[in-house]
Amino acid sequence: DAGVIQSPRHEVTEMGQEVTLRCKPISGHNSLFWYRQTMMRGLELLIYFNNNVPIDDSGMPEDRFSAKMPNASFSTLKIQPSEPRDSAVYFCASSPEGPGYTFGSGTRLTVV
Amino acid sequence: AQKVTQAQTEISVVEKEDVTLDCVYETRDTTYYLFWYKQPPSGELVFLIRRNSFDEQNEISGRYSWNFQKSTSSFNFTITASQVVDSAVYFCALSEARSSNTGKLIFGQGTTLQVKP
Repeated sequence: DAGVIQSPRHEVTEMGQEVTLRCKPISGHNSLFWYRQTMMRGLELLIYFNNNVPIDDSGMPEDRFSAKMPNASFSTLKIQPSEPRDSAVYFCASSPEGPGYTFGSGTRLTVV
Repeated sequence: AQKVTQAQTEISVVEKEDVTLDCVYETRDTTYYLFWYKQPPSGELVFLIRRNSFDEQNEISGRYSWNFQKSTSSFNFTITASQVVDSAVYFCALSEARSSNTGKLIFGQGTTLQVKP
């Protein structure tokens, strides 16, 4: 099992650019979560899906952030336009019913 | 609302000392899950343990042990004979239990453990 796969591992972009983070969950897991980690706010949940349907997006900071899960094996988190305060590590996690959350290695985003 | 509090921001010990990381949680649910994760300097989040709310038995895994007490809403983590490799940030987390799908995982702020040689 390859685990939860996130890409890219690192992303550096200029303010105002669109950024897309990708996640491939573990096969068979029916829930997917996006988290953001910063020094100031710790690990905060942005959005999560069950069976590809968004269940709770109350953690999404603002309209610049959007997430999709078009099928059970792929999800994206998009920031448009990006701002320096979006700089953080973004984690994706998946879980079967149970639950048992497995995290990806994270994407370190730097917006300059 | 659910909440996890890790009051200890940083702990520093000398190798071979025992250390306990505290975790206090709040939830209105009667069924829930508690977790501990380790985040080493490399940055990944490593699962350590899951405990459901109906299982108050303490657990031991090698040098690690966990003490779950519903009466005080605490789920503390003890490392016995600490080693330098235990240096990391440790997160306690709480998950709601749902009948038909998986609930969200709420994290505490984390405790940074430094083990000095």
